[in-house]
Amino acid sequence: DAGVIQSPRHEVTEMGQEVTLRCKPISGHNSLFWYRQTMMRGLELLIYFNNNVPIDDSGMPEDRFSAKMPNASFSTLKIQPSEPRDSAVYFCASSPGTSVNNEQFFGPGTRLTVL
Amino acid sequence: QKEVEQDPGPLSVPEGAIVSLNCTYSNSAFQYFMWYRQYSRKGPELLMYTYSSGNKEDGRFTAQVDKSSKYISLFIRDSQPSDSATYLCAMIYNFGNEKLTFGTGTRLTIIP
Repeated sequence: DAGVIQSPRHEVTEMGQEVTLRCKPISGHNSLFWYRQTMMRGLELLIYFNNNVPIDDSGMPEDRFSAKMPNASFSTLKIQPSEPRDSAVYFCASSPGTSVNNEQFFGPGTRLTVL
Repeated sequence: QKEVEQDPGPLSVPEGAIVSLNCTYSNSAFQYFMWYRQYSRKGPELLMYTYSSGNKEDGRFTAQVDKSSKYISLFIRDSQPSDSATYLCAMIYNFGNEKLTFGTGTRLTIIP
């Protein structure tokens, strides 16, 4: 299995532009998570889905952020409009949802820079 | 106050030394505890998992949980340069609840 796939790996954009991050979870995993990582705040959970349904979006910082999971093999995180403070590494992770240790498998991340 | 506190470091130790990494937490509802390792420019990966107070060993790694003090530790024996990474503690309220709360991570460098 290729693991969790994220695209793009790097994104540089200007303030006000729309940014779309993409994620393909591991096949057969029921849960998908979007995280944001910064030096100051560490790894923060933004939203997670179970069986394509959003379960907890309490970490989504503002209405400028939205996430969708139209099917079991694809999810997007959109920021519109983007701001410099959104600059961070965004990780997608997936989980079988039934493992004893609740292990989450992380993708390589998307490094976002908003100028 | 954050629910999970972790010293960000950086921490540098010579090869072969014993490393101690720690986290404290404020909510006694946390029941399950994990350590993730994150290499530079990579996503975190699960290193160890435990749910009871006491010690759990896996090779050179030992995870320790003290629920009465709300304190968890990760010990690395005979540290190697390949152990250089950021170590994040994570915890969860109960089995079946998938929402992990992470510490900010400790950056560790093992000096050859």
